[in-house]
Amino acid sequence: DTEVTQTPKHLVMGMTNKKSLKCEQHMGHRAMYWYKQKAKKPPELMFVYSYEKLSINESVPSRFSPECPNSSLLNLHLHALQPEDSALYLCASSQERGLGETQYFGPGTRLLVL
Amino acid sequence: QQQVKQSPQSLIVQKGGISIINCAYENTAFDYFPWYQQFPGKGPALLIAIRPDVSEKKEGRFTISFNKSAKQFSLHIMDSQPGDSATYFCAARVSGGSNYKLTFGKGTLLTVNP
Repeated sequence: DTEVTQTPKHLVMGMTNKKSLKCEQHMGHRAMYWYKQKAKKPPELMFVYSYEKLSINESVPSRFSPECPNSSLLNLHLHALQPEDSALYLCASSQERGLGETQYFGPGTRLLVL
Repeated sequence: QQQVKQSPQSLIVQKGGISIINCAYENTAFDYFPWYQQFPGKGPALLIAIRPDVSEKKEGRFTISFNKSAKQFSLHIMDSQPGDSATYFCAARVSGGSNYKLTFGKGTLLTVNP
């Protein structure tokens, strides 16, 4: 099973709201990622967690706050977002080393900020 | 700085034809080259991947050709079908390092006409 699940599928929020995106994988992967994807563009890396510790933050604004409660779960907390943050937010996972270089993506959360 | 250049930006092919998408890279440290297929509103799905120790890899109708000296790789879709209509992203990364970043090409929108 190479499934990464994400909830919710769609989210509409105002600029003063606080919301969270959730991601889950049960493949035993120890690296998990958040990406942002705008229409007709490739995914842009936001954060990488390795063994539940944040290892890469691609200079993402503090209104995005990631959290990795355990090896299977990854959250992205959203607060005071701007309309330009509207995008498809993708979660992915991979094994950390060795043969498991493949990143498996979830279906994404379509976020609209009003 | 775009490290993976992908062409063409869009491609229209007739059913049964061959679709060819090309990518070129600059970083000689890249040693893992996946192709992702993405349908509208969905997350990218790994299609096929190659390492530079082989010049070609085939999986069903999909073939990656790799030219290490030219720093180029391409995706060939044989007997293209309307269901292949999607956006295709090539990518590259340095495997086994602490940097987990996939560098994506800008994508190719493939349309297969019936």
